[in-house]
Amino acid sequence: DTGVSQDPRHKITKRGQNVTFRCDPISEHNRLYWYRQTLGQGPEFLTYFQNEAQLEKSRLLSDRFSAERPKGSFSTLEIQRTEQGDSAMYLCASSPPGVAYNEQFFGPGTRLTVL
Amino acid sequence: AQSVTQLGSHVSVSEGALVLLRCNYSSSVPPYLFWYVQYPNQGLQLLLKYTTGATLVKGINGFEAEFKKSETSFHLTKPSAHMSDAAEYFCAVSDLTSGSRLTFGEGTQLTVNP
Repeated sequence: DTGVSQDPRHKITKRGQNVTFRCDPISEHNRLYWYRQTLGQGPEFLTYFQNEAQLEKSRLLSDRFSAERPKGSFSTLEIQRTEQGDSAMYLCASSPPGVAYNEQFFGPGTRLTVL
Repeated sequence: AQSVTQLGSHVSVSEGALVLLRCNYSSSVPPYLFWYVQYPNQGLQLLLKYTTGATLVKGINGFEAEFKKSETSFHLTKPSAHMSDAAEYFCAVSDLTSGSRLTFGEGTQLTVNP
């Protein structure tokens, strides 16, 4: 069990550029979540997949954000036309099939800095 | 809508002293409650969770928490702090109406003094 992995760990970009992050969940975990954490705050829910289906999206996920999980395994989160307010830690988590309150296992996060 | 309030963004204790981190929640239906710990530059790790049943929940590293419905609280305690407990702690809530999403509090930074 290698845990949830995220790539890259750090990303610095200029305002207006597009960025894409990748998350590889623990194998056999069918649920995958994205959260955003700004400095000094708790994580905020962005979106949730069960297998390849995106079942829930937060209002925080503006139309510049898109997430995919094409084959029900890894997921990508893309931010188009980045803004300085997008600077944050983007966390991915996965959980196994079963009850809704199964533990979510978190990855180390991708820290995005928008200049 | 759910919400979580963590009282005290910073808590400082001496090594060997009692740790008490406070969490109050708001949920219109029976909640599921969680405590996570985050070390610098790392993801979150689950300490313990309450779903149903026994209201006193024991977790890893000697931590425990008690669900008190009447007080809408889920405070985290540890009898004796260790230097390695220094980290940020997050309380979170979910319930059947929210699906699997977790709603987190703002976190409490725990400092352990020698």
